[in-house]
Amino acid sequence: KAGVTQTPRYLIKTRGQQVTLSCSPISGHRSVSWYQQTPGQGLQFLFEYFSETQRNKGNFPGRFSGRQFSNSRSEMNVSTLELGDSALYLCASSLSGRDTQYFGPGTRLTVL
Amino acid sequence: AQSVTQPDIHITVSEGASLELRCNYSYGATPYLFWYVQSPGQGLQLLLKYFSGDTLVQGIKGFEAEFKRSQSSFNLRKPSVHWSDAAEYFCAVGAPLSSGTYKYIFGTGTRLKVLA
Repeated sequence: KAGVTQTPRYLIKTRGQQVTLSCSPISGHRSVSWYQQTPGQGLQFLFEYFSETQRNKGNFPGRFSGRQFSNSRSEMNVSTLELGDSALYLCASSLSGRDTQYFGPGTRLTVL
Repeated sequence: AQSVTQPDIHITVSEGASLELRCNYSYGATPYLFWYVQSPGQGLQLLLKYFSGDTLVQGIKGFEAEFKRSQSSFNLRKPSVHWSDAAEYFCAVGAPLSSGTYKYIFGTGTRLKVLA
């Protein structure tokens, strides 16, 4: 089985722009979670989607949003980028969201 | 509130030496427990997991972990470290929420350096 894939792997944006990241889960997995990883804050949970519905949300501003499609693929959008949004964004998929999470390689976002 | 503590930010061991990475969690019941490894610039790779049953869990790459309920710990061990084990290791717990969904909490990680 193919693992979790994330595109693009690297992104450079400037402040004020917006960005969309994509995640394709392992086939058959219906839960997709997004995390932000920075050296100072570690891994922070953004949100989880299951069957096209946001089921859980972390403590991030409304500039961070996401969605999930009927094939379980998920996108994450960040609007009005700030320098502090520079991070590695990780996507994880699981069968139901109540079991093991498998991570993708991440998207490295740099905001200039 | 649920939390995961990895008390060692950095650990340095010599190649061939044994390794133990510590993990303590705070949760009312027994959560799901995980260890992940992350190489620089990469995602997290699952090493092993504990859901229930035998408290000594075997994982990939020769790693094992032992769940100790009385100590709320899930320490990761390897009898002989290889240079390729140099990476960052994360302990995580999965805990059910009242809504019926799950929350995954990660420790801050332990960076392992291996000396030749």
